[in-house]
Amino acid sequence: QVQVQESGPGVVKPSETLSLTCTVSGDSSRYQYWSWVRQPAGKGLEWLGRVYLSGSTNYNPSLWGRVSMSVDTSKTQFSLRLTSVTAADSAVYYCARGPFGDHSFDYWGQGTLVTVSS
Amino acid sequence: QSALTQPPSASGSPGQSVTISCTGTSSDVGAYNYVSWYQQHPGRAPKRMIFEVSMRPSGVPDRFSGSKSGNTASLTVSGLQADDEADYYCSSYAGSNNWVFGGGTRLTVL
Repeated sequence: QVQVQESGPGVVKPSETLSLTCTVSGDSSRYQYWSWVRQPAGKGLEWLGRVYLSGSTNYNPSLWGRVSMSVDTSKTQFSLRLTSVTAADSAVYYCARGPFGDHSFDYWGQGTLVTVSS
Repeated sequence: QSALTQPPSASGSPGQSVTISCTGTSSDVGAYNYVSWYQQHPGRAPKRMIFEVSMRPSGVPDRFSGSKSGNTASLTVSGLQADDEADYYCSSYAGSNNWVFGGGTRLTVL
């Protein structure tokens, strides 16, 4: 059974960089793609981008220049960095497997709440 | 890119059927058969219910079905049950390695 866990600081100061980690276990298929999706309080989901096991990435054009994603050498941890954060970046951040062949997200972490506040 | 358009709310009585729409454009929903639907209970992570417009993952009841016509996809929940009360989100591939979600629909079981 694939297990996904997000971790990182719960509070980030305005203008600073948000950094989160996604740790994956039980994925014997070595599925290639992992995405970050966020959800502001009371609002909908927003796809931020995805990272491939090779390290290649695709990002939401609306965040271009502020977002970066990476994979560590173990291929079981994936990272998100979002620079110059504002209150609008406050949200629950989810790590999700995919999208790949069927263009969907099949396994999700429980999410981690990040609040941007001084 | 713009979010896909969903009605903010939908409702039905136990046992009834309800359909939730998801409207995009000819560049996303209308262009690809890659629409997926997610159920989200309060405080929980989203759960995939439908992929590739109408395919159900293992374990999802056949009361959940999906379809698409033109730029609009739909999720139908038949035989409504109390546990179906949740938020539902659609997602579509939008080309150029880009994906977009809908704004979400809150389904209430009366």
